[in-house]
Amino acid sequence: DAKTTQPTSMDCAEGRAANLPCNHSTISGNEYVYWYRQIHSQGPQYIIHGLKNNETNEMASLIITEDRKSSTLILPHATLRDTAVYYCIVRVKPGNTGKLIFGQGTTLQVKP
Amino acid sequence: GAVVSQHPSRVICKSGTSVKIECRSLDFQATTMFWYRQFPKKSLMLMATSNEGSKATYEQGVEKDKFLINHASLTLSTLTVTSAHPEDSSFYICSAVDVMTGELFFGEGSRLTVL
Repeated sequence: DAKTTQPTSMDCAEGRAANLPCNHSTISGNEYVYWYRQIHSQGPQYIIHGLKNNETNEMASLIITEDRKSSTLILPHATLRDTAVYYCIVRVKPGNTGKLIFGQGTTLQVKP
Repeated sequence: GAVVSQHPSRVICKSGTSVKIECRSLDFQATTMFWYRQFPKKSLMLMATSNEGSKATYEQGVEKDKFLINHASLTLSTLTVTSAHPEDSSFYICSAVDVMTGELFFGEGSRLTVL
């Protein structure tokens, strides 16, 4: 079973920030939080990952709570092309070949 | 960035035939690859872990004789759907773990339609 829970769906206005929450209350000390997204009929696309510090890249920011039991993915200026299913996953890395178990994800609909 | 290529991207076959899907890591080596299937509006379901040079590890409920996996080299894993039935129609996605960095990359998926 997936170790994360996410809301089923969210809407966001184009140009506004999209904040996608994820609960991972049973995360282990050596597990990272990964975010992927899947646009219809494509393979999942890597977005960002982190262990305990907040992370930012060209796509998004990841905010992890101090107790690491939850996190939030932030798309600072959502566009229509950000409409996708977003998956939050916990995984041990690097060098680990542990399988990636997907939950149901959050369907983000960016509206004009 | 690292690329994982799947081929074919789309395939249509008749019931009873076998279909092979390839998953290649193009610029890194992968001793481990994963195969998923995805039904419409559903999440990805892990089918099996493909290990280079050894037998694949199948998830509970996945028929190993139905879904044959071969990982003969550090850059190629294949999934063969044997004696395909219409209910095998699905989106099949592979992912590969870079043996040097531990990072995981996904292919673009292969859509199988069994008539």
